[in-house]
Amino acid sequence: DVVLTQSPLSLPVTLGQPASISCRSSQSLVYSDGNTYLNWFQQRPGQSPRRLIYKVSNRDSGVPDRFSGSGSGTDFTLKISRVEAEDVGVYYCMQATHLRTFGQGTKLEI
Amino acid sequence: EVQLVESGGALAKPGGSLRLSCAASGFSFSNAWMSWVRQAPGKGLEWVGRIRSRSDSGTTDYAAPVKGRFTISRDDSKNTLYLQMNSLKSEDTAMYYCATEAFDIWGQGTMVTVSS
Repeated sequence: DVVLTQSPLSLPVTLGQPASISCRSSQSLVYSDGNTYLNWFQQRPGQSPRRLIYKVSNRDSGVPDRFSGSGSGTDFTLKISRVEAEDVGVYYCMQATHLRTFGQGTKLEI
Repeated sequence: EVQLVESGGALAKPGGSLRLSCAASGFSFSNAWMSWVRQAPGKGLEWVGRIRSRSDSGTTDYAAPVKGRFTISRDDSKNTLYLQMNSLKSEDTAMYYCATEAFDIWGQGTMVTVSS
């Protein structure tokens, strides 16, 4: 089974400063079609998860451009260029190459 | 409006059964692969399983903790996804979300509590 390991698990940040979350996979996430199915989700307190990024680096409609995804193979990163108050919540990576697996989540707090 | 609305969450006893429903609207449900995801209180997200569209075989896949106990099905005439949960355990206590297989649409969740 694929294991996704996120770090850090808790991320205190200052408004206006950058933030970065790492997601490492126990196996390569490159699928047989050449795509890498690694997504990022945001879950604000009391809300359902919301997809931010799909296939490593593609931002969903309506997602601010301060969010960006990068990486390849087994090593991936979500970056927020300048944290805003509305970004508080838990962030999850999820792989969809080998069935589905979520990372443990990273709690971003101001 | 694109929407998923779950229902059926309740308090159940260990060893008991529950069936959750997820009503879809605003998109082509019959062509959509669908998933269930759960979240235990204060914990992270856990994928439960998925069902392919009928045109893609309609078959299912499950996570190891629920395989053999949970069954995902669909009624495309009603635009509804189901999760039949049998032999419930206390560790199945969670908020259950339905989502499209692309995980770009999520419901609001329905709470299942397994306790004697």
